Amino acid sequence: EAGVAQSPRYKIIEKRQSVAFWCNPISGHATLYWYQQILGQGPKLLIQFQNNGVVDDSQLPKDRFSAERLKGVDSTLKIQPAKLEDSAVYLCASSPGRVSYNEQFFGPGTRLTVL
Amino acid sequence: AQKITQTQPGMFVQEKEAVTLDCTYDTSDPSYGLFWYKQPSSGEMIFLIYQGSYDQQNATEGRYSLNFQKARKSANLVISASQLGDSAMYFCAMREGAYSGAGSYQLTFGKGTKLSVIP
Repeated sequence: EAGVAQSPRYKIIEKRQSVAFWCNPISGHATLYWYQQILGQGPKLLIQFQNNGVVDDSQLPKDRFSAERLKGVDSTLKIQPAKLEDSAVYLCASSPGRVSYNEQFFGPGTRLTVL
Repeated sequence: AQKITQTQPGMFVQEKEAVTLDCTYDTSDPSYGLFWYKQPSSGEMIFLIYQGSYDQQNATEGRYSLNFQKARKSANLVISASQLGDSAMYFCAMREGAYSGAGSYQLTFGKGTKLSVIP
């Protein structure tokens, strides 16, 4: 079974530029998560989708971050414009759905450096 | 207040020895789940073990076991017979509302413990 795929793996941009990340979850997984992991910290949830609807985006900086999950499968996360403090690893995860035991499967992440 | 606290930024263990990684949590929700993930230098988060708040037995998965002390709100990970491949960051995480069907099922992570296994 293929795991969660993410691209690109690395991205370097200058502040005020735009960037987009792509995630393809495990086939059949209804729930998709985007996390931000700043160096030296644990991941922090940015947004959670259930199929193509948003369940939780309370920690997403909506003035610059946006995310969508068209057709309930792939998802993109965009930052526009980027700030220096956005330098982090962006992790995508998926899980089968809203069940009591809800293991999340993580992708390899995209490492973003903002100069 | 921190929901997940991992007080050990770094730990060293001799190969083949056992090691305990500490995790304490804070929640008022009676229904919750506790997870441990391993993050090697490659960056991917690998699920290790899960403990539900109503589970009577401590969880075990191969060389991993979870020392769950509910009254103390601690969920320490024990790795037995350490191997060189165990060198990585280890994160404790909690999901609240695990059994009620409510909540967003988001995981709240601690800051992690870096484990180094010495040959």
